[in-house]
Amino acid sequence: NAGVTQTPKFQVLKTGQSMTLQCAQDMNHEYMSWYRQDPGMGLRLIHYSVGAGITDQGEVPNGYNVSRSTTEDFPLRLLSAAPSQTSVYFCASSYSSGGETQYFGPGTRLLVL
Amino acid sequence: QKEVEQDPGPLSVPEGAIVSLNCTYSNSAFQYFMWYRQYSRKGPELLMYTYSSGNKEDGRFTAQVDKSSKYISLFIRDSQPSDSATYLCAMSPYNQGGKLIFGQGTELSVKP
Repeated sequence: NAGVTQTPKFQVLKTGQSMTLQCAQDMNHEYMSWYRQDPGMGLRLIHYSVGAGITDQGEVPNGYNVSRSTTEDFPLRLLSAAPSQTSVYFCASSYSSGGETQYFGPGTRLLVL
Repeated sequence: QKEVEQDPGPLSVPEGAIVSLNCTYSNSAFQYFMWYRQYSRKGPELLMYTYSSGNKEDGRFTAQVDKSSKYISLFIRDSQPSDSATYLCAMSPYNQGGKLIFGQGTELSVKP
């Protein structure tokens, strides 16, 4: 199993550009989530999904869109990048409803100029 | 006020010391309590989780949850330089898989 994979590893964007951060898991997990990590802030939940076709907002959803058409993939879209979205983005998946077994991907470092 | 508070440190201890890491929280609906370890420039990895109150032990690591005080702890015995990392507590309510709320993380350094 590859686990949770994320692409790209690093990206530089200009303000106003759009992009999609890719996330895939091969463990047949129902639950998938996106977090961002900023210095001194821990991880903050952006969006999450409890299964294909079902998504919901987390703590900091503004400026981000998600969709989940398959169990394996959960892409995160930045519609119009802003410098405040400079961060490290982590995708995670879990097979349990309590979220107590979340597995994280290696992260995507995003710099918005 | 954040739902989960964690002292960011940094915390520096000599090799072999007992380390105590703590988090407090305000949401009484939290039922699952997790500790993650994160090495520099890596994704978090799950160390331990506890459901509701009580203690759980795994090798050199012990997790404690006191729901009456809304306080959780992670103890590391016989700390090793390889334990140097950022430790994050995380919590979730029952049956809301994927919706974890994290503390800020504590940076730990174990000196040989």
